[in-house]
Amino acid sequence: SQKIEQNSEALNIQEGKTATLTCNYTNYSPAYLQWYRQDPGRGPVFLLLIRENEKEKRKERLKVTFDTTLKQSLFHITASQPADSATYLCALDGGGSYIPTFGRGTSLIVHP
Amino acid sequence: DTEVTQTPKHLVMGMTNKKSLKCEQHMGHRAMYWYKQKAKKPPELMFVYSYEKLSINESVPSRFSPECPNSSLLNLHLHALQPEDSALYLCASSQGLASGGILAKNIQYFGAGTRLSVL
Repeated sequence: SQKIEQNSEALNIQEGKTATLTCNYTNYSPAYLQWYRQDPGRGPVFLLLIRENEKEKRKERLKVTFDTTLKQSLFHITASQPADSATYLCALDGGGSYIPTFGRGTSLIVHP
Repeated sequence: DTEVTQTPKHLVMGMTNKKSLKCEQHMGHRAMYWYKQKAKKPPELMFVYSYEKLSINESVPSRFSPECPNSSLLNLHLHALQPEDSALYLCASSQGLASGGILAKNIQYFGAGTRLSVL
């Protein structure tokens, strides 16, 4: 069956460091992968979309890589700030309908 | 305006009550979604409407009844819920349902959610 795996343990880092979050998947051949940010008690907010034929995408302090051979995406936040503390969800398209299926997310905590 | 508005923000209901959740968007999006999210779990898709027609029902129990009165509004009618239905209910919209090509159509714009407690 299809699986999306994100580290369930929180990632704790110091302010100013680069945070790297991982999204692994199995039994998928996604056309795209998306990353969302979710704050407690709020809906997810879209951050970045990367297509299967793209290796890397950047937006300000954010960088996403997509390795279809490893079946993995890495999400980087450079020069992290306490305001970046949130849960980050990856989402893959679920097949013919292209509606994204979400991973459980990884909590990022940036300490001042 | 990139906002999806959900009301109410919080709802407490008994197992015999009937209530409705409401969702509104004015981005001209033609696809609207209901998700259910439990703590530390991913959002789970419940229903999808495309051009005001029910496109996907993910085998959701009949005590949840969706309705799309027009392209801007989406309701979720609740009746005879169980305590295990307590969760954050999220509404989302997207430009449409991409069938290849314009993948950005599937970017989900979420509301803030309704925190539902069933007693």
